[in-house]
Amino acid sequence: DQQVKQNSPSLSVQEGRISILNCDYTNSMFDYFLWYKKYPAEGPTFLISISSIKDKNEDGRFTVFLNKSAKHLSLHIVPSQPGDSAVYFCAAKGNMDSNYQLIWGAGTKLIIKP
Amino acid sequence: DTAVSQTPKYLVTQMGNDKSIKCEQNLGHDTMYWYKQDSKKFLKIMFSYNNKELIINETVPNRFSPKSPDKAHLNLHINSLELGDSAVYFCASSQARTGRKEKLFFGSGTQLSVL
Repeated sequence: DQQVKQNSPSLSVQEGRISILNCDYTNSMFDYFLWYKKYPAEGPTFLISISSIKDKNEDGRFTVFLNKSAKHLSLHIVPSQPGDSAVYFCAAKGNMDSNYQLIWGAGTKLIIKP
Repeated sequence: DTAVSQTPKYLVTQMGNDKSIKCEQNLGHDTMYWYKQDSKKFLKIMFSYNNKELIINETVPNRFSPKSPDKAHLNLHINSLELGDSAVYFCASSQARTGRKEKLFFGSGTQLSVL
């Protein structure tokens, strides 16, 4: 039962252009969303997050948008740089139990072309 | 200085063997985790320890036994390895036990291959 879905396994974007990574979720109890970035042979590292009380959060070149009614969030990277080539994981939390466990998507591999 | 370090990075072993993966964090965090990244690339939590106390134990075969000698270490011991145990195992830590805004810090992973 996939509660967090990243339907694009990979995405190729020209350097300097905008990269848009999408994530859908099914559980309306999720109230906090995170994006992690992963390079090969490394563990995921935290990138940016958003609370369900907001619809946008920005940090430098990275912006996350949340559409609660559509149960959809997206990560925008502008402008895309070669170092952004990585796998991006969307993850969600909600107070379904006391532990606020993270539920992860399968990731989207972003390739930035020079 | 690596914040969360796990060893070994690669582990190739035969079915039926027993193996351990070690994890240490130098961030002073109270909570540590083991995650498994399966063949479909999903990250699934296996265990979580807070200050040496087990707080999350997902549906994992009891061949997997975590051990936390102190809050900076969380090792994973696997008995009677099976082919289906082949995966990448990630150790992680966070400052506090729960909470919506807790960020996880991951180790670089251990690629386990069971032959």
